[in-house]
Amino acid sequence: QSALTQPASVSGSPGQSITISCTGTSSDVGSYNLVSWYQQHPGKAPKLMIYEGNMRPSGVSNRFSGSKSGNTASLTISGLQAEDEAAYYCCSFAGPSTLGYVFGTGTEVTVL
Amino acid sequence: QVQLQQWGAGLLKPSETLSLICAVYGDGGSFSDYYWTWIRQPPGKGPEWIGEINHSGSTNYDPSLKSRVTISVDESKNQFSLNLTSVTAADTAVYYCAALAVAGSFDYWGQGTLVTVSS
Repeated sequence: QSALTQPASVSGSPGQSITISCTGTSSDVGSYNLVSWYQQHPGKAPKLMIYEGNMRPSGVSNRFSGSKSGNTASLTISGLQAEDEAAYYCCSFAGPSTLGYVFGTGTEVTVL
Repeated sequence: QVQLQQWGAGLLKPSETLSLICAVYGDGGSFSDYYWTWIRQPPGKGPEWIGEINHSGSTNYDPSLKSRVTISVDESKNQFSLNLTSVTAADTAVYYCAALAVAGSFDYWGQGTLVTVSS
């Protein structure tokens, strides 16, 4: 199972909006609404930010939103803040062939 | 709310067996509410799903690791464990235990254990 494809880096100024893409295949992202997004600061464990494509867990800022079109999922961060600077990973159910999960390659977000 | 605390050896020689344990703390019913998973993250790379187990012992493993991986559960202790045999340098990574919800999301994570395989 190949990793989902994300841009290596995305940057934006405070207050701006940025979008991170996550491209899979018709066997994973395209077939299931089981895409989640994680934020990871250096030396820390990943933190769940979005699940089921566009749902936010309790306590996660509404500046984070998710969407999906075809085989590509997206994470949008609006009103960018310094604390949003981190690595972001998408994840999708990989389908009945493995019944497992595949993560993205990761995107480093820089707040200018 | 669920908390995960993990432990195990951090330095192994090639061909040895990696063994990690993860303890689950939280509401009384939470242990049966999730699939308990192991995920690893090689240095500078994205996470990789290793496998999962439910409270009754039903497992599912990544096909590329299936021949070397065993995940087991001790429901009486609210713990689950990972064994990975015949390790090589390619198995060097931070290993995390995590709680997988029915929504397909990893809701809670352990603190991570850096496992280095070196002769």
